[in-house]
Amino acid sequence: NSKVIQTPRYLVKGQGQKAKMRCIPEKGHPVVFWYQQNKNNEFKFLINFQNQEVLQQIDMTEKRFSAECPSNSPCSLEIQSSEAGDSALYLCASSLDWGENYAEQFFGPGTRLTVL
Amino acid sequence: QQQVRQSPQSLTVWEGETAILNCSYENSAFDYFPWYQQFPGEGPALLISILSVSNKKEDGRFTIFFNKREKKLSLHIADSQPGDSATYFCAGLPRPGYQNFYFGKGTSLTVIP
Repeated sequence: NSKVIQTPRYLVKGQGQKAKMRCIPEKGHPVVFWYQQNKNNEFKFLINFQNQEVLQQIDMTEKRFSAECPSNSPCSLEIQSSEAGDSALYLCASSLDWGENYAEQFFGPGTRLTVL
Repeated sequence: QQQVRQSPQSLTVWEGETAILNCSYENSAFDYFPWYQQFPGEGPALLISILSVSNKKEDGRFTIFFNKREKKLSLHIADSQPGDSATYFCAGLPRPGYQNFYFGKGTSLTVIP
C-alpha cells in the first residue's frame, strides 16, 4: 500500500484565491510527480522533481502554478489565482530513482480542489 | 491528441466471469505499460505492468495480453469479484527516465454478485 501522504484531502476556494496543497512522498523516494485528474478522468502531468530539483514541467505550471520540494519539508503545489477550470483531483506520486529501469509510481489519495 | 485510448468506458460483468478491458496507443516508442486500479476517494494503485518485449504477463487473476504490431493491449480479470469494482487505467511510457506517464481515460468496472 502506498504511503504517500497528501493534505488536505479537500480544498474549497473562491476564484482568484490561492490554493496550496502538500505531499509527503514515500520514505526513500527521491522522485515526486504532480498530476491533475479532472472529472472526465483525464490525467495531466504538471511537474516532477528529483530531490529538490525540477526535472520536467508543463507550460501551465510556469504561469499560475508553482511547486517545490524543499529538503526535510513536504513538497507543495500552489495555484496563485484559482480558476473554475482548476477544480480537479490533484495527485502526488513518488518513485525510486528511475535510472535505466522503470520504477513504479506510488500515488497518494489526492487533494480534491473545488473552485467556486 | 489522446496518446492512450481505452475501451469500453464502462463494463459490467457477473461475479466469476472474465472481464476484458482494452487499451491502444499511438506512440510506437512506448515501451512500458502499467495498469492502475483506482477506487473512489483513493489514488491509483499499480495493478500489473508489462514491457513491450513481452506479449503476456500474468499475476494471479490478472493477465495482460500485448500486441506490439497492432499497438494494442488488454487486461483480463479472471473470476471477477465484487471487490474488483473500480476504475482501471492503462498508461504508457516511452523509455526509462524522469518521464510522466500518458494515461488513458479509464474503464469503470462493475462486478455484480
